[in-house]
Amino acid sequence: DGGITQSPKYLFRKEGQNVTLSCEQNLNHDAMYWYRQDPGQGLRLIYYSQIVNDFQKGDIAEGYSVSREKKESFPLTVTSAQKNPTAFYLCASNGGDSGANVLTFGAGSRLTVL
Amino acid sequence: AQSVSQHNHHVILSEAASLELGCNYSYGGTVNLFWYVQYPGQHLQLLLKYFSGDPLVKGIKGFEAEFIKSKFSFNLRKPSVQWSDTAEYFCAVNGRYGGATNKLIFGTGTLLAVQP
Repeated sequence: DGGITQSPKYLFRKEGQNVTLSCEQNLNHDAMYWYRQDPGQGLRLIYYSQIVNDFQKGDIAEGYSVSREKKESFPLTVTSAQKNPTAFYLCASNGGDSGANVLTFGAGSRLTVL
Repeated sequence: AQSVSQHNHHVILSEAASLELGCNYSYGGTVNLFWYVQYPGQHLQLLLKYFSGDPLVKGIKGFEAEFIKSKFSFNLRKPSVQWSDTAEYFCAVNGRYGGATNKLIFGTGTLLAVQP
């Protein structure tokens, strides 16, 4: 079945450590996105990529980094510079026409910093 | 900058009650509008969308939304809710950022609890 696979589902990290969240899609979608979901704040865009080898900062990119070396993969690194990294992270993709943003979401990764 | 406002953060209804969730956006150009739903323990999924044409759009599970351009609104409605509608609902708007398209802006979400 086509979809988005995020791993790990749960992750614990000590302060000062970088962690990388995986996002893989087999939908042949060009665009991929990372959102952060916090209670009462909805979804906020971290980074997005319209095409391989290109990505753009979203609204809350500080303390995060991404890469897009392959169409299928868009990993997110939460660095030690991210001041409040405990959150639920959602990856999404889109293969529609320009402006027709029907996103397909993964199941999410919950990061807890101890 | 584009923004989306959802006025109701928590809504509690009894089964068979009518539902209306408010959504307002700020964007001066042509918009695409969406409602996404997140059922407990499940992925976010599309409930309905508006691109153009009839401003009253129908989605899955008996939901509908009306785009009122003059009010910058896209409220979600359902005439009679069921316990299975308990979920978090997100309004979203397609916007432009830094010259690029295809960026969705989400509202803060409305948590709906339907009591049997």
